[in-house]
Amino acid sequence: DTAVSQTPKYLVTQMGNDKSIKCEQNLGHDTMYWYKQDSKKFLKIMFSYNNKELIINETVPNRFSPKSPDKAHLNLHINSLELGDSAVYFCASSRRDTRNTEAFFGQGTRLTVV
Amino acid sequence: GESVGLHLPTLSVQEGDNSIINCAYSNSASDYFIWYKQESGKGPQFIIDIRSNMDKRQGQRVTVLLNKTVKHLSLQIAATQPGDSAVYFCAESGGNEKLTFGTGTRLTIIP
Repeated sequence: DTAVSQTPKYLVTQMGNDKSIKCEQNLGHDTMYWYKQDSKKFLKIMFSYNNKELIINETVPNRFSPKSPDKAHLNLHINSLELGDSAVYFCASSRRDTRNTEAFFGQGTRLTVV
Repeated sequence: GESVGLHLPTLSVQEGDNSIINCAYSNSASDYFIWYKQESGKGPQFIIDIRSNMDKRQGQRVTVLLNKTVKHLSLQIAATQPGDSAVYFCAESGGNEKLTFGTGTRLTIIP
């Protein structure tokens, strides 16, 4: 059983288009994240949601809009795609506790903007 | 801003030898540290973690050492195998839900 699953795995699209990436976790976690990994493998957090509430927004352009319909899902919608948006996007989830716990990552969505 | 960095971007080790991957962090408020392994085409995978009240933790073939005085973290992999070839990331958290990742070290195991 896949713990954190995201779709699609690959996404190729033209500049200016709007696209969405979906993420679901079946771990019963209440915190979910979106990370962006650039071509140099650098991983940077974009958003964090806890129980459907946005708690971290790391100066991401407002063309990126996360949506959490319930605590098991966190989708990422991107408007007016730009060449610089090309990257691998990872969804992750973790259990919020009195102490921090590790985040579990999905397999990633490789977005290529042409 | 705060950052987590790695000393070496690439590391090649002979199969069967031990490897050590280092990481420096700058956030003195960090109290939780994780090592992740990322294989090609996959997401980061948890290896081992350590909290700031410890200085050493061991897993299966892996050991994490934490030196809070110099803000340094290391991952030791014993008896390396071809399957250990991957990019390794350290990550730290300072009490919120935000994990800050280092830049990664590519470990290559030479058969």
